[in-house]
Amino acid sequence: DTAVSQTPKYLVTQMGNDKSIKCEQNLGHDTMYWYKQDSKKFLKIMFSYNNKELIINETVPNRFSPKSPDKAHLNLHINSLELGDSAVYFCASSQRYTVAQYFGPGTRLLVL
Amino acid sequence: AQTVTQSQPEMSVQEAETVTLSCTYDTSESDYYLFWYKQPPSRQMILVIRQEAYKQQNATENRFSVNFQKAAKSFSLKISDSQLGDAAMYFCAFGRRQGGSEKLVFGKGTKLTVNP
Repeated sequence: DTAVSQTPKYLVTQMGNDKSIKCEQNLGHDTMYWYKQDSKKFLKIMFSYNNKELIINETVPNRFSPKSPDKAHLNLHINSLELGDSAVYFCASSQRYTVAQYFGPGTRLLVL
Repeated sequence: AQTVTQSQPEMSVQEAETVTLSCTYDTSESDYYLFWYKQPPSRQMILVIRQEAYKQQNATENRFSVNFQKAAKSFSLKISDSQLGDAAMYFCAFGRRQGGSEKLVFGKGTKLTVNP
């Protein structure tokens, strides 16, 4: 059973398009995150949600809009994609107050 | 703001030998956690080991152990009896609670090669 899953695993799209990445966790965690890993492998937090409430928003352009329909899901919608958005996006989850985060397999986004 | 520094972009080790990966961090917090994550070529981020800052005892997970020096703000990872499957990027991360969630700050990673 996959603990944190993301779809799709790969996404190739044109500049200016809008795309979404979905994330689901079946660990019963109440906090979920989105991270971006750039071409140099640097991993940086973008957002965190706790029980559907936005907690962390790390100066991400407002073209990125996370949505959490329930505490098991956190989707990432990106409008007007730019070349610089090409990266691997990771979803993660944790149980509140345990700090340890468990990551999904990542979604490799390539903007042409 | 917290920073995490991994000063070794690449390391290599012979199979069955021991290797130590370095990590230093900077924070004014007293309550925090430290982690090592492994990212093999499959790109999956795998939690290797964690350490609570309030614990003096160094964490151990099978062949993986840490040397946590709180005053020096150092958190190194020792891999004993290295195996080919240990080859991966290793990321050191600093974690602390922020609001209702927990924020991880990652170092830039160390690429570990294991030679047969």
